Amino acid sequence: DAGVIQSPRHEVTEMGQEVTLRCKPISGHNSLFWYRQTMMRGLELLIYFNNNVPIDDSGMPEDRFSAKMPNASFSTLKIQPSEPRDSAVYFCASSLITDTGELFFGEGSRLTVL
Amino acid sequence: SQELEQSPQSLIVQEGKNLTINCTSSKTLYGLYWYKQKYGEGLIFLMMLQKGGEEKSHEKITAKLDEKKQQSSLHITASQPSHAGIYLCGASRGYQKVTFGIGTKLQVIP
Repeated sequence: DAGVIQSPRHEVTEMGQEVTLRCKPISGHNSLFWYRQTMMRGLELLIYFNNNVPIDDSGMPEDRFSAKMPNASFSTLKIQPSEPRDSAVYFCASSLITDTGELFFGEGSRLTVL
Repeated sequence: SQELEQSPQSLIVQEGKNLTINCTSSKTLYGLYWYKQKYGEGLIFLMMLQKGGEEKSHEKITAKLDEKKQQSSLHITASQPSHAGIYLCGASRGYQKVTFGIGTKLQVIP
C-alpha cells in the first residue's frame, strides 16, 4: 500500500522565492496535517484539514504561509516569499477519523532557504 | 514553551541496557501518542494510550499513562542498536489535533 507521498524530498531555494510543497494522503483518509520540524522548536503543527476543509490554522506562522486542499487526494503548502528562517523539514500526515487517531507521516520535504 | 516536556532530551546507552523516557503535560490529555523517527525519515507510530493507568507493549517497548492522564513513560527493555532514533510523544486534547514534544534522541552503543 502506498503511504503518504510528499514532494519534493529536498528543495534549495533563495530568499524571496516561492516554495510549493505537495502531499498526497493515503487513499480513504479524511484528515490531513502539515507539520514543520526544526532542531530548536521540534515538530510544530501548522494546519490541519478534515474532509478537505481547514479546521485549525493557528499554527501557520505568518501570512507568507498558505495551505490548500482542493480535493481528498492532494494538498499543497506554499511559502511566498520564502526566508532563511523557513528552513526546516516539512511533514505531511494523514489519518482516518477513528478512536485510535493514528497519524501516518510522509518522509518529509527538507527545505533550505539561502 | 512546549506544552509537552520530554526528558531526557538525549540518551546514550549500551546495548542490552534498559531505559526510560518520560513525557509530561500540564493539562489532562485526551490521548497520548508515542512515535519513533529515524534521521531523515518520517515518524513511525508506536502506540497510543487513552485511559488513565493504561499500559501497552510492543515487542520490547512498553508505554504507560498515569492515572491523572498527564504523564507517560516509555520503557525499552534490553536495548538494541535498532532502537536508536528520536522518540516523540504527542498529545491530543481535542478533535484529532496532535501536538508533539521536542523529542528524545536515543543512541545505543554496541
